[in-house]
Amino acid sequence: EAGVVQSPRYKIIEKKQPVAFWCNPISGHNTLYWYRQNLGQGPELLIRYENEEAVDDSQLPKDRFSAERLKGVDSTLKIQPAELGDSAVYLCASSLADARKDTGELFFGEGSRLTVL
Amino acid sequence: AQSVAQPEDQVNVAEGNPLTVKCTYSVSGNPYLFWYVQYPNRGLQFLLKYITGDNLVKGSYGFEAEFNKSQTSFHLKKPSALVSDSALYFCAVRDGSVNAGNNRKLIWGLGTSLAVNP
Repeated sequence: EAGVVQSPRYKIIEKKQPVAFWCNPISGHNTLYWYRQNLGQGPELLIRYENEEAVDDSQLPKDRFSAERLKGVDSTLKIQPAELGDSAVYLCASSLADARKDTGELFFGEGSRLTVL
Repeated sequence: AQSVAQPEDQVNVAEGNPLTVKCTYSVSGNPYLFWYVQYPNRGLQFLLKYITGDNLVKGSYGFEAEFNKSQTSFHLKKPSALVSDSALYFCAVRDGSVNAGNNRKLIWGLGTSLAVNP
């Protein structure tokens, strides 16, 4: 079974440029997460989707970050314009969670490392 | 408020010796506890979890963790460390209650870097 797939793995851009990251979750997983991880720190939740609905986007900097999960499968995270402080690893994760079955664990992709110059 | 503490930034242990990575937590409802491992330049991998049942949980790669309700701890252990265990370890907790609502959000520790020396 394929795991969570993210692309690109690495991206280097200049500040003020736009950037987009793509995530394909594990088949059948209804919940999708975008996290940001700075070097030597734990992951920070940006947004959580249950199917197509963003159920928690309280930590998403909405002035420059946007995300979508059309059709409740793949998701895209966009930053426009990027700032120096956005340099980080952007992790996508998925899980199977509903009222009847919530196994709890998240499955992560390999991450997209963004460097803003 | 929910929180997780990993009191050690780094743990060093000799290969073949037992290892412990500490985690304490605070959660208002039923704690769901998790350990994840992150190897360099990789995503996080699930190691083990405590949801209910036996306090001693066994997971991947020979790791285990013991849920201690009175001490609100969930320390990660392995009887004999390998050099390949060197990585960053994260503890996470969330409220597993049926009515947890927004407390379902997973709260992460800051991570502990484990170095196993040959």
